[in-house]
Amino acid sequence: GQQVMQIPQYQHVQEGEDFTTYCNSSTTLSNIQWYKQRPGGHPVFLIQLVKSGEVKKQKRLTFQFGEAKKNSSLHITATQTTDVGTYFCAGRNTGNQFYFGTGTSLTVIP
Amino acid sequence: NAGVTQTPKFRILKIGQSMTLQCAQDMNHNYMYWYRQDPGMGLKLIYYSVGAGITDKGEVPNGYNVSRSTTEDFPLRLELAAPSQTSVYFCASSYSGQGPSGNTIYFGEGSWLTVV
Repeated sequence: GQQVMQIPQYQHVQEGEDFTTYCNSSTTLSNIQWYKQRPGGHPVFLIQLVKSGEVKKQKRLTFQFGEAKKNSSLHITATQTTDVGTYFCAGRNTGNQFYFGTGTSLTVIP
Repeated sequence: NAGVTQTPKFRILKIGQSMTLQCAQDMNHNYMYWYRQDPGMGLKLIYYSVGAGITDKGEVPNGYNVSRSTTEDFPLRLELAAPSQTSVYFCASSYSGQGPSGNTIYFGEGSWLTVV
């Protein structure tokens, strides 16, 4: 079956440091989405990438979709305590099912 | 617009009991989903529906049932609850059309279920 893996599983950074999480799929994806889940909360949509090699930015967040459409990354520049949470990628297959990655839990140390 | 509404928010069940988690959305989304999230883990798809009257299994459907009699509602039924079903359950919905908001998954706030 389809698998979407994320690394690392956990990441602790000092406030101001950069952070990157990587998402890898066993199959080619039609698109990929990123979600953020604050502790005790529910996942909230951040962005969707559709095109091969696509790069999108949201303030300090940079999202990339791989050329082969099997991997993606989220990079946060100069982390802040408000960035704390778990970041999930979600890959969509041709059947319009979204498979969520295992998530990366980010802790920002003030 | 309330978005996706789930009830109850918290529930404790005894082994062997049954219950239904309710889910409703008011965004006229055609797709609806049920996910479970075990502590510190990712989201696993239990069941999903692409429209009223149509449901299909996800990754972890055993021990659950769903129905989709209307576009708005997508209840999840747990039969004969087991400790392995202790988890946080999220209902979600999305619109399958094109455009910037197409396919964005909107989640409910979650239902915390403990089976003892």
